Amino acid sequence: KAGVTQTPRYLIKTRGQQVTLSCSPISGHRSVSWYQQTPGQGLQFLFEYFSETQRNKGNFPGRFSGRQFSNSRSEMNVSTLELGDSALYLCASSLAGGLGTGELFFGEGSRLTVL
Amino acid sequence: AQSVTQLGSHVSVSEGALVLLRCNYSSSVPPYLFWYVQYPNQGLQLLLKYTTGATLVKGINGFEAEFKKSETSFHLTKPSAHMSDAAEYFCAVTLSGSARQLTFGSGTQLTVLP
Repeated sequence: KAGVTQTPRYLIKTRGQQVTLSCSPISGHRSVSWYQQTPGQGLQFLFEYFSETQRNKGNFPGRFSGRQFSNSRSEMNVSTLELGDSALYLCASSLAGGLGTGELFFGEGSRLTVL
Repeated sequence: AQSVTQLGSHVSVSEGALVLLRCNYSSSVPPYLFWYVQYPNQGLQLLLKYTTGATLVKGINGFEAEFKKSETSFHLTKPSAHMSDAAEYFCAVTLSGSARQLTFGSGTQLTVLP
């Protein structure tokens, strides 16, 4: 069974540009969450999608957005990139449904460098 | 709101020695607690979790953790460290019944010395 797949794995952008990251969850998983990991702030929750609906959102500016498609694949977008957006962006999927135990399966991440 | 504090950003142990990584949580309602491990250039892998029931939880790779409500702790232990255990370990909490929003601790880098 394939795991969570994130593309691209590495990318370099310049300030002011925008970026789109993609995540394919484990087959059958309907929930996709995104986390930002930086040395200074650690792991921070961005948002979570279930059945194409955003169920929860972290404390990030509106430049950070996401969406989920009918096949559960998800994308996140960051517009007007800032140097501080340089981070490892991790996607995680879970079986979800309503309440649950919160077990997440993480991808290897997309490492974004903003110059 | 919930939060997690991991005591010690770096821990070094000798191969074969006891591993003890500390985690304390703060939550206004019964929490679900997790330990994840991250190897270099990889995502996070679940080691173990506590939801309800038995307070001593066994996970993969010989790790276990004990939920102590009176101490608001969920420390991770392994009787005998192996070189392959060198990695970063994250404790995380979510409110029981919440959506998939984990609050992570700042992480503990474990070094295993030969």
